[in-house]
Amino acid sequence: LAKTTQPISMDSYEGQEVNITCSHNNIATNDYITWYQQFPSQGPRFIIQGYKTKVTNEVASLFIPADRKSSTLSLPRVSLSDTAVYYCLVGVSNSGNTPLVFGKGTRLSVIA
Amino acid sequence: KAGVTQTPRYLIKTRGQQVTLSCSPISGHRSVSWYQQTPGQGLQFLFEYFSETQRNKGNFPGRFSGRQFSNSRSEMNVSTLELGDSALYLCASSLGVPEQFFGPGTRLTVL
Repeated sequence: LAKTTQPISMDSYEGQEVNITCSHNNIATNDYITWYQQFPSQGPRFIIQGYKTKVTNEVASLFIPADRKSSTLSLPRVSLSDTAVYYCLVGVSNSGNTPLVFGKGTRLSVIA
Repeated sequence: KAGVTQTPRYLIKTRGQQVTLSCSPISGHRSVSWYQQTPGQGLQFLFEYFSETQRNKGNFPGRFSGRQFSNSRSEMNVSTLELGDSALYLCASSLGVPEQFFGPGTRLTVL
């Protein structure tokens, strides 16, 4: 399974756009890129998944360049409640029957 | 629609004991996965069950086992507990689409 590299932590002020980049140089042709969010003492929550170009939902956008060796999760206008750990996962097929392989994640702190 | 539920939420055991954790998936979800989360190792996959069969297994010793019942509810068992088994155990259910829904977890403390 492709390994991912993310910043360990990031800080942001409320109302700003936050971009978290994930590096996955060894991504395979059939690998998808998935992001999860985890609050303290809770289970992770699915945010978004994509294969190429751009995917947007009500929570975030995911930008994937043509070579797919990296991806960027974009959170528009963050609030204090967006303080959490964000995980980038690669290798999850779109059938959902592949185990999730979590890295260390990025700890986002949103400051008032 | 009710989410994934896990019982108990908190558990304290001593070394050498065994423990059974329970997970009730979202209604209609047939896939149930278990994960262990510790500060040192992060989130690690234990195993996944689908229609009462173990479909995937992580790299954990045989002391960790699980099963799934016909109603998709799942249990995991850890025998001969060690101090290092102290962790948050998370259960996730899925409908066979990319999104897995996690429960709140069971926090196990081994003394």
